[in-house]
Amino acid sequence: LAKTTQPISMDSYEGQEVNITCSHNNIATNDYITWYQQFPSQGPRFIIQGYKTKVTNEVASLFIPADRKSSTLSLPRVSLSDTAVYYCLVGDAASKLTFGTGTRLQVTL
Amino acid sequence: DVKVTQSSRYLVKRTGEKVFLECVQDMDHENMFWYRQDPGLGLRLIYFSYDVKMKEKGDIPEGYSVSREKKERFSLILESASTNQTSMYLCASSKTGGGEWAEAFFGQGTRLTVV
Repeated sequence: LAKTTQPISMDSYEGQEVNITCSHNNIATNDYITWYQQFPSQGPRFIIQGYKTKVTNEVASLFIPADRKSSTLSLPRVSLSDTAVYYCLVGDAASKLTFGTGTRLQVTL
Repeated sequence: DVKVTQSSRYLVKRTGEKVFLECVQDMDHENMFWYRQDPGLGLRLIYFSYDVKMKEKGDIPEGYSVSREKKERFSLILESASTNQTSMYLCASSKTGGGEWAEAFFGQGTRLTVV
């Protein structure tokens, strides 16, 4: 399984764009990159998944460079309700969905 | 909507008791997972099941066992509860294959306190 490294915490003001980068230097050919969001006292929630280039949905965008050794989750115009822990996962269909410690995003006014 | 239901939201058990945590999903998912979450340690995988009666150890299986007799139900068993098993336990399920295998759905969690 590819190991992931992401910042422990980030701070942002409401209305700003937030980019959280995840490093996964030993990503394998079959691996996908998946991001989850977790609010306090709740289970994680799937946000977005990608393999290469860019993926966008109603919540976020995921940017993956050609070498796929890193990925960036982009949250446009964050609000207070985006305060949460964000997890980057890397693996294939045989993976066991291994979570790390995530990035704690704090959004303030 | 996919629903993953854990049998208890809060549970208090005594040291040495045998504890059963139940999880049921209603979307015919092949994969089911049990995690525990502790402050500063993120989510750690205890056990994973990819089919009925099939299971694989996760990162921290010691002190736990699991049972999957039916596709929709995945039980976590603490054979002899200890205080270091006080934690939030989270169950999840996902499909196998296609583009959906990484989209897991989580239950609301069970906060277990062992005294």
